[in-house]
Amino acid sequence: SQTIHQWPATLVQPVGSPLSLECTVEGTSNPNLYWYRQAAGRGLQLLFYSVGIGQISSEVPQNLSASRPQDRQFILSSKKLLLSDSGFYLCAWGKGTSSTDTQYFGPGTRLTVL
Amino acid sequence: AQTVTQSQPEMSVQEAETVTLSCTYDTSESNYYLFWYKQPPSRQMILVIRQEAYKQQNATENRFSVNFQKAAKSFSLKISDSQLGDTAMYFCALRTSGTYKYIFGTGTRLKVLA
Repeated sequence: SQTIHQWPATLVQPVGSPLSLECTVEGTSNPNLYWYRQAAGRGLQLLFYSVGIGQISSEVPQNLSASRPQDRQFILSSKKLLLSDSGFYLCAWGKGTSSTDTQYFGPGTRLTVL
Repeated sequence: AQTVTQSQPEMSVQEAETVTLSCTYDTSESNYYLFWYKQPPSRQMILVIRQEAYKQQNATENRFSVNFQKAAKSFSLKISDSQLGDTAMYFCALRTSGTYKYIFGTGTRLKVLA
């Protein structure tokens, strides 16, 4: 069966510091990968998605970036965090084409920027 | 542009009763997919049910079923025999065929009362 991991689970960072969140999927190959942000009490905002290694689509241009250095690894980064980057970050994986994909989510990372 | 609207921010139901959560959506595409996700206090998003727009039969998953009204662009979730573990935020989501972009509603907070 497939498993998705995210770390760290919780992170407190000062404004202006860098960020690296990691997401790894086990038990499948060539998954579609997604990064979402959920602000307090709100829905999900799609940040990035990737349908193959080295391929990244950005939905919300801002001070965040994503990379996919390996088939089942998806990394969310920032060079300088802003207060507005605080939130709950969710990674998800899916399988197949745009006709068959269904998302399954990881446990999330709670980021607080002070 | 696609939109998903959940007009009920909060709902409550007595244990063992039935509750229906509403979701309306808008898309000009003819082929798309609809989802309900559950986010319990742990905040990990869990897939509850999926519906393909081309299927007339409503999807069912144990105590969870949907009422899919394509012409009205309505996709409600019915939870039968509600259990305390059903207490969670419920999100409706839409994805059109040919894209990997999921559009989420703002969620409905459901509380099951003992």
